[in-house]
Amino acid sequence: SQQGEEDPQALSIQEGENATMNCSYKTSINNLQWYRQNSGRGLVHLILIRSNEREKHSGRLRVTLDTSKKSSSLLITASRAADTASYFCATDHDRDSGAGSYQLTFGKGTKLSVIP
Amino acid sequence: EPEVTQTPSHQVTQMGQEVILRCVPISNHLYFYWYRQILGQKVEFLVSFYNNEISEKSEIFDDQFSVERPDGSNFTLKIRSTKLEDSAMYFCATRDRGLNGYTFGSGTRLTVV
Repeated sequence: SQQGEEDPQALSIQEGENATMNCSYKTSINNLQWYRQNSGRGLVHLILIRSNEREKHSGRLRVTLDTSKKSSSLLITASRAADTASYFCATDHDRDSGAGSYQLTFGKGTKLSVIP
Repeated sequence: EPEVTQTPSHQVTQMGQEVILRCVPISNHLYFYWYRQILGQKVEFLVSFYNNEISEKSEIFDDQFSVERPDGSNFTLKIRSTKLEDSAMYFCATRDRGLNGYTFGSGTRLTVV
């Protein structure tokens, strides 16, 4: 798989349930970020976890990072219909430039549908 | 909360025409990026810009693309002689000096006909 691959590709749950999305990557990273995108809209930054962190919380979001397995998970608790969107993980790693460009490499995303 | 503003939100252009996509970054951000997302596909890095020059570019960013920050505020992406396959959502993103999350603009949907 490519850098920043999420699974599942699509997830459908009932409102109130928890949603878990996973992301795997290949190369070493500085940090890993999760973004949300409503259909045809812009990317909204949700949470960033640094390579030396293992878990991070923000409201109903919980992100874990396992650098030994090169994987991360995003958990959304008590989901709401408004959480329906695509969720992307993106890895941030400085490439050869050394210029600190820290470009992001995105996965294909998980399309989450929360049914009211 | 500070925003990255992109204009226009939607642009339709004829194949072979030039387009300029504009972005107003957050004022104290130093690193600027363009990404694109072809419909149904992943977001792809195009170019990064720092200290008034390109710091890195992807294979996608060929000679038909250029970026500049002409007046110290707007950050523009120019696509010369557009092709059908340039149809995509183009996102501007900016970042401050720290290793923090990026702020993305809401995107410009480019349709080449």
